[in-house]
Amino acid sequence: KAGVTQTPRYLIKTRGQQVTLSCSPISGHRSVSWYQQTPGQGLQFLFEYFSETQRNKGNFPGRFSGRQFSNSRSEMNVSTLELGDSALYLCASSLGTSIDEQYFGPGTRLTVT
Amino acid sequence: GNSVTQMEGPVTLSEEAFLTINCTYTATGYPSLFWYVQYPGEGLQLLLKATKADDKGSNKGFEATYRKETTSFHLEKGSVQVSDSAVYFCALLYNAGNNRKLIWGLGTSLAVNP
Repeated sequence: KAGVTQTPRYLIKTRGQQVTLSCSPISGHRSVSWYQQTPGQGLQFLFEYFSETQRNKGNFPGRFSGRQFSNSRSEMNVSTLELGDSALYLCASSLGTSIDEQYFGPGTRLTVT
Repeated sequence: GNSVTQMEGPVTLSEEAFLTINCTYTATGYPSLFWYVQYPGEGLQLLLKATKADDKGSNKGFEATYRKETTSFHLEKGSVQVSDSAVYFCALLYNAGNNRKLIWGLGTSLAVNP
């Protein structure tokens, strides 16, 4: 069974631009969560989707948004990029309606210059 | 509120040394506890978990026991290998109304030298 895949793996953007990251969960997994990982803050929860509905949201500004499609694939979008948005963005999928064992993708490394 | 505190790294050990990475938590109710591992260049992988007090999670030679009396979930391994070099994250899963939420520790970097 294929694992969680994230595209692209690396991305370099300029301040003020926007970016869209993609995540394909493990087949059959309907819950997708997104995290921002930075050396200073560790893992910060962004949002969780289940069956195309956002179930939980972390404390990030409205520039961060996401969505989930009917095939459970998910995208997150960051608009008006800031230098501080440079981070590893991780996507995780899980089987059921609640977060339990999560399976992580390799992440997308975003660098904002 | 609920929180997870991990010992700060980096931890540097020689091969075959004994490993302990401390994790303590603050939580109401009965949370589940997890250890995840992140190898260089990869996403996190679930290493082990425990869902109730006195449970012991174990995997790949790693163990952690859910201690409610000391609110701890320390990760241990009797003899580390170079391949164990990674970042280890402790996490707590708790009920928040109709949802369940995960809180993560900041991670502890482990380097094992041959």
